[in-house]
Amino acid sequence: GAGVSQTPSNKVTEKGKYVELRCDPISGHTALYWYRQSLGQGPEFLIYFQGTGAADDSGLPNDRFFAVRPEGSVSTLKIQRTERGDSAVYLCASSSLLQETQYFGPGTRLLVL
Amino acid sequence: QKEVEQNSGPLSVPEGAIASLNCTYSDRGSQSFFWYRQYSGKSPELIMSIYSNGDKEDGRFTAQLNKASQYVSLLIRDSQPSDSATYLCAVNRRGHSGAGSYQLTFGKGTKLSVIP
Repeated sequence: GAGVSQTPSNKVTEKGKYVELRCDPISGHTALYWYRQSLGQGPEFLIYFQGTGAADDSGLPNDRFFAVRPEGSVSTLKIQRTERGDSAVYLCASSSLLQETQYFGPGTRLLVL
Repeated sequence: QKEVEQNSGPLSVPEGAIASLNCTYSDRGSQSFFWYRQYSGKSPELIMSIYSNGDKEDGRFTAQLNKASQYVSLLIRDSQPSDSATYLCAVNRRGHSGAGSYQLTFGKGTKLSVIP
């Protein structure tokens, strides 16, 4: 079956611009997670949705980062006033209600010039 | 203090040998433990999960957990060149009951090279 999909696969933007990253989870998965992975590091948790609501946003680094999941399926991670330090791979994962395994999408590689 | 620590490597083993990857964690409340494999430029892929002390085997992979020592390891038997990747250890406070945080905390990963 179809896995987690993310678009775009690559995004190059200029410092100060606004970007949106999209995640389409595995069909039927109620839980959705965003992580950020910098070069040479493990993924770092950003935010977790259960259904439409953000159940845990403790990993968002500051108020420039925001994420939504209005219909409980697709999620969008929004970054305002991008900075060069935001350059990383943004990973989305999903899991079912009864299973803990998180399945990762291919990621979006964000480069802020 | 880092919450999940791994030796970054690289760890080089000859083809056919056993590769041993180690991970320690600081949060004694951790309930679930995972090993992910990540090929260069790709996303993490789950290899093993373990929840109870002891060993868990799946094919060529064995995960070992010792909660008293806060230590989890992954053994890869009969290592193949295709096993060359970065292996990420991840922990979660959430138990089987569903209580606790859902976020995974990852180590930096250990880069494994299997030499033909």
